[in-house]
Amino acid sequence: GESVGLHLPTLSVQEGDNSIINCAYSNSASDYFIWYKQESGKGPQFIIDIRSNMDKRQGQRVTVLLNKTVKHLSLQIAATQPGDSAVYFCAEYKSGGSYIPTFGRGTSLIVHP
Amino acid sequence: ETGVTQSPTHLIKTRGQQVTLRCSSQSGHNTVSWYQQALGQGPQFIFQYYREEENGRGNFPPRFSGLQFPNYSSELNVNALELDDSALYLCASSLDGRTGGYGYTFGSGTRLTVV
Repeated sequence: GESVGLHLPTLSVQEGDNSIINCAYSNSASDYFIWYKQESGKGPQFIIDIRSNMDKRQGQRVTVLLNKTVKHLSLQIAATQPGDSAVYFCAEYKSGGSYIPTFGRGTSLIVHP
Repeated sequence: ETGVTQSPTHLIKTRGQQVTLRCSSQSGHNTVSWYQQALGQGPQFIFQYYREEENGRGNFPPRFSGLQFPNYSSELNVNALELDDSALYLCASSLDGRTGGYGYTFGSGTRLTVV
């Protein structure tokens, strides 16, 4: 289930389950979004991105859904594996200016074998 | 092809001191961005350097400064350290001022502790 831990929201799943990680973004003018995966002791790693003219984009085992009406982004991971255990961040970008990213707080995904 | 390397990996400093963190960009990349990541939080953009010029800055005070060298490596300098500066400092390299997406490569960071 999903819970709010001391620092990060945490999602615990069993290996083979599908995982859904959610992100509420802050700026209705944001037009580009990225999901990153950060494993312990490493920097964030690009997973998938989506522009605001789309509402769904699929990659290998991952799907990002964008709902601009409620400013909500989700990352779906199919057949979750222990190697998917990490913290997942969404980042939003607003067009115009210097295109500086704003990262969300992150969700810790724990996959149990 | 080497990735992004940061040094040192860990550092302990005393409040009021100054610190310099270093980043070697990925081969072929001409842009370096720096982030501060507090425990349990997402990275916060500090600034970006593109071809040795500052190319964008987040909401950080002037005591956070940087440099980019002709080989595109970069330094982050923080003066008058405060306890709240304790964080993981991440460097990311890219091409031509990009600030995210495929090809935007992060290093593993420098863990700074201010006591």
